[in-house]
This record gives sequence, structure tokens and C-alpha cells, in this order.
Amino acid sequence: DAGVIQSPRHEVTEMGQEVTLRCKPISGHNSLFWYRQTMMRGLELLIYFNNNVPIDDSGMPEDRFSAKMPNASFSTLKIQPSEPRDSAVYFCASRPGSKGDYGYTFGSGTRLTVV
Amino acid sequence: GENVEQHPSTLSVQEGDSAVIKCTYSDSASNYFPWYKQELGKRPQLIIDIRSNVGEKKDQRIAVTLNKTAKHFSLHITETQPEDSAVYFCAASRGNQFYFGTGTSLTVIP
Repeated sequence: DAGVIQSPRHEVTEMGQEVTLRCKPISGHNSLFWYRQTMMRGLELLIYFNNNVPIDDSGMPEDRFSAKMPNASFSTLKIQPSEPRDSAVYFCASRPGSKGDYGYTFGSGTRLTVV
Repeated sequence: GENVEQHPSTLSVQEGDSAVIKCTYSDSASNYFPWYKQELGKRPQLIIDIRSNVGEKKDQRIAVTLNKTAKHFSLHITETQPEDSAVYFCAASRGNQFYFGTGTSLTVIP
């Protein structure tokens, strides 16, 4: 099991550019989560999916952020246009089932820097 | 929604001593409490978890206790080692969504 796979590991982009982050959850995990981590705000849940369906996107900062999960093995988080305040580490995590006592498995994260 | 508070925010201990990190939660319906360890530049990793029907769980040098009445739970690390230095996060959940504490930066001094 390769775990949760995120790409790219690092992304540096200029303000105003579109950024797309990618995630492949663990096979068989039905729930997928996108988190943002900063020193100031800690781990913030942006959005999560159950069986490819978005369940709660209340954490998405604004309309510049969007997320999709077209199938059980792939999800994207897009920022358009990007701003310097979006600089953070973005983690994807997956979990088996929609209920139950299972912890998240996090990916290695994407460190985004917007200049 | 759920609110998880975590203390202390930083903790320094001598190698070999014990470390205790405490969390409180607000939603009495929360029933699952995982703890994550995050080393510098790496992803959070699950180190131990506890369910609401259990009061204590131990795994080698780490243990977690839960007091449902008081709505608090704690992580205990005994015989600390330099490799225990990391940021530790607690979380509370009653469904699919985890609510994380703000983290404790633990430094173990050799």
C-alpha cells in the first residue's frame, strides 16, 4: 500500500496564477479530506468527500478555491487566482468508510508558496 | 460544532522524563479521539487512538486516558527520547469529521 499520494510536493507560483493540487487516496478508502496547515491557524479542514460526493465545503475560504473528486481514486484542489495568503501546506487525507473508529491517513502534503 | 482545546502549546522535558499533553472537547457526542505526531516537514501520523467506551489505552511508552464526564483526554509519553520531539495533535470526532487541537510542540532535551 503506497498510502495517500499527493502531487506536487512543492509548488511555487506567482500571484494570480492557477494552482492545482492532486491527491490519490488509499484504495478502498471511501472518505477523502483536504486540509490546510499554517502556523497561525493550524490544521483547517477545507472540504471532505464521501464516496466521491462533497459533503461539507464550509471550510473552503472563498470562491477562488474549488475541489473535485471525479472518481474514487483521484481528487483535485484548485486555487484560481492564487494569492500570497494562500501559501501553506495542503494535506490530503483518506479514511475507510464514512463512519467508524478509524484515523485519517495523511499524504505527504503539498507546500504551496505564492509570491 | 465541536471545539477542541489543547495544552500546553510548547513542552520541554529532559530525556527519560514523562510528558503529558491535555485536550478538552465540547461536544458530548464525540466518541473517537485520535492523537497524531507530526515531525518537522512531515505529515501528521496517527500514533494512538481511543474510543468513548474505553477509559485508557496503552501502547508501549505512550498511553491515552479519557474522562467522558469531564470531557477531557490526555496523552502520556513515558521515558521520553529525543526522537519523540515533534508536534502532537489531538482530535475529537463523532462521525467523519475530525476537529483538531492547535498542537503541542514537544522538545526532548538529551
